[in-house]
Amino acid sequence: AQTVTQSQPEMSVQEAETVTLSCTYDTSENNYYLFWYKQPPSRQMILVIRQEAYKQQNATENRFSVNFQKAAKSFSLKISDSQLGDTAMYFCAFMSLEVDSGYALNFGKGTSLLVTP
Amino acid sequence: NAGVTQTPKFQVLKTGQSMTLQCAQDMNHNSMYWYRQDPGMGLRLIYYSASEGTTDKGEVPNGYNVSRLNKREFSLRLESAAPSQTSVYFCASSVLGTVYEQYFGPGTRLTVT
Repeated sequence: AQTVTQSQPEMSVQEAETVTLSCTYDTSENNYYLFWYKQPPSRQMILVIRQEAYKQQNATENRFSVNFQKAAKSFSLKISDSQLGDTAMYFCAFMSLEVDSGYALNFGKGTSLLVTP
Repeated sequence: NAGVTQTPKFQVLKTGQSMTLQCAQDMNHNSMYWYRQDPGMGLRLIYYSASEGTTDKGEVPNGYNVSRLNKREFSLRLESAAPSQTSVYFCASSVLGTVYEQYFGPGTRLTVT
């Protein structure tokens, strides 16, 4: 089974600053997807960004971008121009594309991000 | 579009009681999933259903049963609740192919006393 590790349980950043959340994973597979999900206090799971392993180009979504290092099995999330609404728990997740995986998500333990004024 | 709906939103059970968590999606997705979220643990897969009529165990299936009633609905049953099953339960569905994205319901907070 794949292991997803988020080494920063908690982080804090000031409004308008940039913050980077770390994620590493362990797999022997070559084809997979990686995701970052945001969970605000409302508890709703919201997809922030996805990365296909076969793509070398790093994914970006507005203020959110990733640094995907396939050989190092690293997938960090950069949030630029942080906003108070970015305060949430952030989960890194791995999806195997093997058929017997059911295409389920394998989550890290999360990083709690606090954006301060 | 309601997306993924879950009922109930909150539930308190006594040890040994049974209950069924309901999940429905209106996006015509083939695959559906049940996860549990415990403090400091992230989300862990309980069961999944790749298509109507099939179900498979995930990482933490003990103490649970599931039913894929039809393409829309996927229920999770606790036959004899235990305090260790106190958790937040999420249902998700996904469309496979070019967009491997899972859509989540709002979650059910279950407390077993």
